[in-house]
Amino acid sequence: NAGVTQTPKFRVLKTGQSMTLLCAQDMNHEYMYWYRQDPGMGLRLIHYSVGEGTTAKGEVPDGYNVSRLKKQNFLLGLESAAPSQTSVYFCASRGFGSNQPQHFGDGTRLSIL
Amino acid sequence: AQSVTQPDIHITVSEGASLELRCNYSYGATPYLFWYVQSPGQGLQLLLKYFSGDTLVQGIKGFEAEFKRSQSSFNLRKPSVHWSDAAEYFCAVGPEGFSGGGADGLTFGKGTHLIIQP
Repeated sequence: NAGVTQTPKFRVLKTGQSMTLLCAQDMNHEYMYWYRQDPGMGLRLIHYSVGEGTTAKGEVPDGYNVSRLKKQNFLLGLESAAPSQTSVYFCASRGFGSNQPQHFGDGTRLSIL
Repeated sequence: AQSVTQPDIHITVSEGASLELRCNYSYGATPYLFWYVQSPGQGLQLLLKYFSGDTLVQGIKGFEAEFKRSQSSFNLRKPSVHWSDAAEYFCAVGPEGFSGGGADGLTFGKGTHLIIQP
């Protein structure tokens, strides 16, 4: 029972490089989310998706793009990485319904040099 | 916009002692409230949630939380902590549209780091 799986778990990039973080869920959830976690800041929402083919901006979307081509996958892209994007990134998903909590992956630790 | 405040950045408790972690929220309507726990290097695990009804909610691992509308609080409690409870704890609030029609993400507090003394 995998739940929410994030790939990769760790990555080091140089400034200006691009990369894509992958989130996969096997719970048939409609909604998916990308958060970043920084020391002393809690988690902040980057982008989210309410279903296949849809995306929306969260609190801190600048510098990131997302895609939801398949219901089970939610991709987070950094086109030109900056040191300010060094963070731990968490993906979450939840089902449709008023009593459905978010389920989180184990995170991706990303360092931009 | 909603916001969540966790006033205590760090809390140290002796093993076997009781615990209360504070959470205050700012929100216009009845909120959906959550407590998550994060162990080092791990993702967030849901401890408990409040949507409506009984204001005292029970969660996993012996935790409970009480919703107090008059104080805009949702404090987390445990009668006797264990060393394995050492972790980061996050309070979060869901927006009005969270009931299913909307899907906005959660707003998190900055977390409380719990240290357990032997």
